[in-house]
Amino acid sequence: KNEVEQSPQNLTAQEGEFITINCSYSVGISALHWLQQHPGGGIVSLFMLSSGKKKHGRLIATINIQEKHSSLHITASHPRDSAVYICAAFSSGTYKYIFGTGTRLKVLA
Amino acid sequence: AAGVIQSPRHLIKEKRETATLKCYPIPRHDTVYWYQQGPGQDPQFLISFYEKMQSDKGSIPDRFSAQQFSDYHSELNMSSLELGDSALYFCASSLNLPNSGNTIYFGEGSWLTVV
Repeated sequence: KNEVEQSPQNLTAQEGEFITINCSYSVGISALHWLQQHPGGGIVSLFMLSSGKKKHGRLIATINIQEKHSSLHITASHPRDSAVYICAAFSSGTYKYIFGTGTRLKVLA
Repeated sequence: AAGVIQSPRHLIKEKRETATLKCYPIPRHDTVYWYQQGPGQDPQFLISFYEKMQSDKGSIPDRFSAQQFSDYHSELNMSSLELGDSALYFCASSLNLPNSGNTIYFGEGSWLTVV
């Protein structure tokens, strides 16, 4: 069992839909990142969370430390949101990032 | 604002050759991380440096070595290249070890193809 698990692994949505990607982790963490990886490989850090909720444009990220769970929400999805979304948990025990398996999102026009 | 710069962006090498990848962190960042992402795979942590000293080591082959220089840039040296080394190598930087106050910034990655 991976220490960081994401669901779903693949997601296809219609433009305008509300999208939720989930991340569960089993290790103690001091921070969790949501990353976006576009075809071609470049990675963009969307959010870093240690508690609560953050919002940036159409993106919202939440984390529940007690439940060891984080969610990334995309409102009014757009084809340009198509990418792989990865959650990465920073383990407070090993000082390493543990990456989730990624969620491949495709938004259709 | 300056981001994490990696070079070269693309590199093609033959088996048994040597390759060097460079990473220039964001100015004033003192921590550099290297990751390897094979085709269709999750990123795998290789090694990290804090203040020019190795701070952690992951699944880095013995054929690979890395260091962080006085200007905080880092180089990943890969020798006796194998076909399986073909991957995206990206580095990230942060100020000190990440905690709730500091974030990590990723470079765009260097594509290595071994033929």
